[in-house]
Amino acid sequence: NAGVTQTPKFQVLKTGQSMTLQCAQDMNHEYMSWYRQDPGMGLRLIHYSVGAGITDQGEVPNGYNVSRSTTEDFPLRLLSAAPSQTSVYFCASRNRFSSYEQYFGPGTRLTVT
Amino acid sequence: GNSVTQMEGPVTLSEEAFLTINCTYTATGYPSLFWYVQYPGEGLQLLLKATKADDKGSNKGFEATYRKETTSFHLEKGSVQVSDSAVYFCALGGGSQGNLIFGKGTKLSVKP
Repeated sequence: NAGVTQTPKFQVLKTGQSMTLQCAQDMNHEYMSWYRQDPGMGLRLIHYSVGAGITDQGEVPNGYNVSRSTTEDFPLRLLSAAPSQTSVYFCASRNRFSSYEQYFGPGTRLTVT
Repeated sequence: GNSVTQMEGPVTLSEEAFLTINCTYTATGYPSLFWYVQYPGEGLQLLLKATKADDKGSNKGFEATYRKETTSFHLEKGSVQVSDSAVYFCALGGGSQGNLIFGKGTKLSVKP
C-alpha cells in the first residue's frame, strides 16, 4: 500500500493564480480531510468528506473548493491564490471504524507571492 | 466546544533526559486521544492513542495515560534520544464527522 499520497510536494504561485492539490489513498477509506498547518496554529481543518459525492466545510474553508467523485481521490482547489494561503497542506484519511485515527500524507508546501 | 491545549515550546533537552509534554482537553463525552509526531520535512505519524479513561498508550518508549478526572493526556519518555527531535501534536477525536482537533504542537530538540 502507498497509503496517502499528495502532489506536488512544493509549489509557488502568484497572487490570483489557481491550482489543484492532489490527494489519493489506496486504503479504501471512507473519510478524507484537508488540513493546513501554520506556525503556532497547529493543524486546522479546511474541508472533509465522509464518502464519494459528500463534502463539507471545516474550520477554515474560505478560498478553497473540494469534490469527491471517487473513494480514492480528494483534490483541493485554490480558486484565486492569496498570500494568506501560504502554508503546508496535509491530506488525511481514515475508515469509519478507526476511532478517529487518521493517516496523513507527506504534505504540500505552498508559497503564494 | 471541544478543544486541546498543549504546552508551548520549543523544548530543548539533553540526550537521556526525561521528557514530559503536557496536554489537556475540553470535550463532552469520552473522546479518543492521540499523540502524533512530525519529523522534520515529513507528514504526521500516529505515535500513540488511548480510547477510554485510564487507558495507557505506548510506543517507541513514549507513554501517555488518559486521565478523565484531570482531562489530561501528558506525553512522557524516560530517556530521550537525538532522533526524537520533532514536533509533537496532541489531538482529540471528536470534531465534526470524526475529524481530529489538534493542539498547536510542541517542538522538541534533543542535543547530544
